[in-house]
Amino acid sequence: IAGITQAPTSQILAAGRRMTLRCTQDMRHNAMYWYRQDLGLGLRLIHYSNTAGTTGKGEVPDGYSVSRANTDDFPLTLASAVPSQTSVYFCASSGGGAYNEQFFGPGTRLTVL
Amino acid sequence: SQKIEQNSEALNIQEGKTATLTCNYTNYSPAYLQWYRQDPGRGPVFLLLIRENEKEKRKERLKVTFDTTLKQSLFHITASQPADSATYLCALYNFNKFYFGSGTKLNVKP
Repeated sequence: IAGITQAPTSQILAAGRRMTLRCTQDMRHNAMYWYRQDLGLGLRLIHYSNTAGTTGKGEVPDGYSVSRANTDDFPLTLASAVPSQTSVYFCASSGGGAYNEQFFGPGTRLTVL
Repeated sequence: SQKIEQNSEALNIQEGKTATLTCNYTNYSPAYLQWYRQDPGRGPVFLLLIRENEKEKRKERLKVTFDTTLKQSLFHITASQPADSATYLCALYNFNKFYFGSGTKLNVKP
């Protein structure tokens, strides 16, 4: 693995189903982030983690949960998907703190029907 | 919450000209501001960071300015090339969170 990876690449999901989006980084970055990107709204932060074992809420956390059991992995779970969660989801990591650039994964395109 | 505004209309320029993109923000004054490039179907890629005590930052053909009084950052690409065509995003950092603008699409025509 080189950098940050996400899985799946795309997914079509029935409303009400549970779904976990996976994110793994091999850069030993402390901080990780989940964003959703919708046309005209840009990237919006869902949840973040400054270090393994801690998480925090972003701008749009409702309907999503995260965990950070170790440094490398930061899964995002939709407990009961709704059509408004149709979006492109990006995971990112950074060394942590205010001055560090973020490295983004390739994204997961999720459609909830 | 923090609000970041970028021109939602695409910017169309001729190859060789200078492209200038604008990022305006409200509420909190960030310690720094970042610029990213995003190509269709891909994640954003970091370009430049400028701190609040820096007026200007350069990297090759790229230049960023930061005016904390106007609450505005300008992003310039000099001698633009068709390969510079992409969407450019600005981002601010406040209290553990990043806030992104919706981006401006740049089209450089040969």
